[in-house]
Amino acid sequence: KNEVEQSPQNLTAQEGEFITINCSYSVGISALHWLQQHPGGGIVSLFMLSSGKKKHGRLIATINIQEKHSSLHITASHPRDSAVYICAVSVGGGADGLTFGKGTHLIIQP
Amino acid sequence: GAGVSQTPSNKVTEKGKYVELRCDPISGHTALYWYRQSLGQGPEFLIYFQGTGAADDSGLPNDRFFAVRPEGSVSTLKIQRTERGDSAVYLCASSASGSSTGELFFGEGSRLTVL
Repeated sequence: KNEVEQSPQNLTAQEGEFITINCSYSVGISALHWLQQHPGGGIVSLFMLSSGKKKHGRLIATINIQEKHSSLHITASHPRDSAVYICAVSVGGGADGLTFGKGTHLIIQP
Repeated sequence: GAGVSQTPSNKVTEKGKYVELRCDPISGHTALYWYRQSLGQGPEFLIYFQGTGAADDSGLPNDRFFAVRPEGSVSTLKIQRTERGDSAVYLCASSASGSSTGELFFGEGSRLTVL
């Protein structure tokens, strides 16, 4: 079974700071997803990646397959970025149910 | 609809009762997933459908839990003889192809409370 670990579990930062959230997993994967969940709200997919780096606005996601590690970066953070960020991995090959990390609770203070 | 729709949004029931939770995925999405999220935890995989068939049901905790997707679109998660430990948010997601190759779209979830 794949173990997905996220760090930090909780992060409080000031508006404008550069944010990094880390995710590591134990078993080779076919894809990694970064998801965002607001309090009381549903989950929104931010990125799906299997190699390299993706950028969308102020969000950047990277993955190192050899090291079984991914990072989510937020540049010029804003209070509206406050949410739980969840890393999830797919092994593929028919076993397509995601394994999720416990999430990183991010608070950006104005 | 434009997104994944789940009903009911909230369900309160008594221990021992039967519950059905419904998921209406994005039109045309062949892959459908059910997850369960307890307070303060990440989601936990329950079952995955590709079309009408359950491709992977390894996450169902026991035989009280069952899910169907008879026509390859709407899915129903059924819980028999509910227990207090079943209380959680039940999330549904759909994908055009599957989580290994495609983006997932999540519903708002159904919050189940078993008294």
